[in-house]
Amino acid sequence: DAKTTQPTSMDCAEGRAANLPCNHSTISGNEYVYWYRQIHSQGPQYIIHGLKNNETNEMASLIITEDRKSSTLILPHATLRDTAVYYCIVLASGTYKYIFGTGTRLKVLA
Amino acid sequence: NAGVTQTPKFRILKIGQSMTLQCAQDMNHNYMYWYRQDPGMGLKLIYYSVGAGITDKGEVPNGYNVSRSTTEDFPLRLELAAPSQTSVYFCASSPHSSTNEKLFFGSGTQLSVL
Repeated sequence: DAKTTQPTSMDCAEGRAANLPCNHSTISGNEYVYWYRQIHSQGPQYIIHGLKNNETNEMASLIITEDRKSSTLILPHATLRDTAVYYCIVLASGTYKYIFGTGTRLKVLA
Repeated sequence: NAGVTQTPKFRILKIGQSMTLQCAQDMNHNYMYWYRQDPGMGLKLIYYSVGAGITDKGEVPNGYNVSRSTTEDFPLRLELAAPSQTSVYFCASSPHSSTNEKLFFGSGTQLSVL
């Protein structure tokens, strides 16, 4: 499975867009990009996933570069409740081992 | 709908004791997982199962055992507890009807080994 690299921490002003990058330069063609977040010490929560096209749902948008070597999770209007650790995971088609990295600790500032 | 239920929520063990962390899901998911999370760190995969009777090792399986006799239950066994096993343990499940399936997590078990 491809490895991912994320910044350790980021700050974002409340109401502004939060852009969280993820590098997955060794990703292969059948590997999906998943994003989860963990608020305090709760179990992680699914946010969004994609293969090659950009995706949007009620929580966030996922932008995947054309070469698929990196992606960005966008929270369009960050709130204090979005303060969490965000994990980017790459999962190969037909495999089942979700490997979490260390994630990005996002702090939304009032 | 209860989802993924973990028991107990908290437990203190003495070194060398054994215990079983329970995990049950009522969503008829075939895939189940155990993770541990040390303070300030990410989640590490301990074991996972793709169906009843089938289990496989994750990143950090040493010191743990699992079994999967039913679709619903996936207990994690610690045989000789060590301080290094102090952690928060999360159980998760997934239907994996295709690759486009997400993980559903329990609320965790906080374990301290003293």
